Amino acid sequence: SQTIHQWPATLVQPVGSPLSLECTVEGTSNPNLYWYRQAAGRGLQLLFYSVGIGQISSEVPQNLSASRPQDRQFILSSKKLLLSDSGFYLCAWSVRTEAFFGQGTRLTVV
Amino acid sequence: EDQVTQSPEALRLQEGESSSLNCSYTVSGLRGLFWYRQDPGKGPEFLFTLYSAGEEKEKERLKATLTKKESFLHITAPKPEDSATYLCAVQDSSASKIIFGSGTRLSIRP
Repeated sequence: SQTIHQWPATLVQPVGSPLSLECTVEGTSNPNLYWYRQAAGRGLQLLFYSVGIGQISSEVPQNLSASRPQDRQFILSSKKLLLSDSGFYLCAWSVRTEAFFGQGTRLTVV
Repeated sequence: EDQVTQSPEALRLQEGESSSLNCSYTVSGLRGLFWYRQDPGKGPEFLFTLYSAGEEKEKERLKATLTKKESFLHITAPKPEDSATYLCAVQDSSASKIIFGSGTRLSIRP
């Protein structure tokens, strides 16, 4: 069966520091991969999605970037974090239609 | 531009009091409409996929329906454990990005 791993679960980072969040999927090949951000009490905002290795589509211009160095690995990065980058970050995968989510990373920028 | 609007934002029901959540959508060629349940601090849990108008899916006390412009999530005789945020999302005909609504926070009082 397929599983998705996302880490860390929580992260507190100072303003101006770099960020790297990693997500890996097991048990499937060539999935679509997604990064979402969720503000408190709000819906999911699509940040990036990827339909294959090295193929990244950005939905919202911002202080973040994404990379897909391997088929089942998706990385969210920032060179310098802003206070506004705080939030709940979720990685997801899909093969045909519906997406399945990891447990998320709670990022607090201080 | 694809868009998903959910209503109401929040709903408080008494245990056993049935109701419906609404999801209105605009998409360039619907590939799938999805419903998810999200508990606080967790990633969304997949519930249903609906593909075409007239389709219905059921799971325990939940029933999802789809028309050409909206979807409903009907909750019959809810229990306190049904309390959660319910999210609606759509995928367009490109079969790539998945766009979410802002969710409905459902609270069931014993």
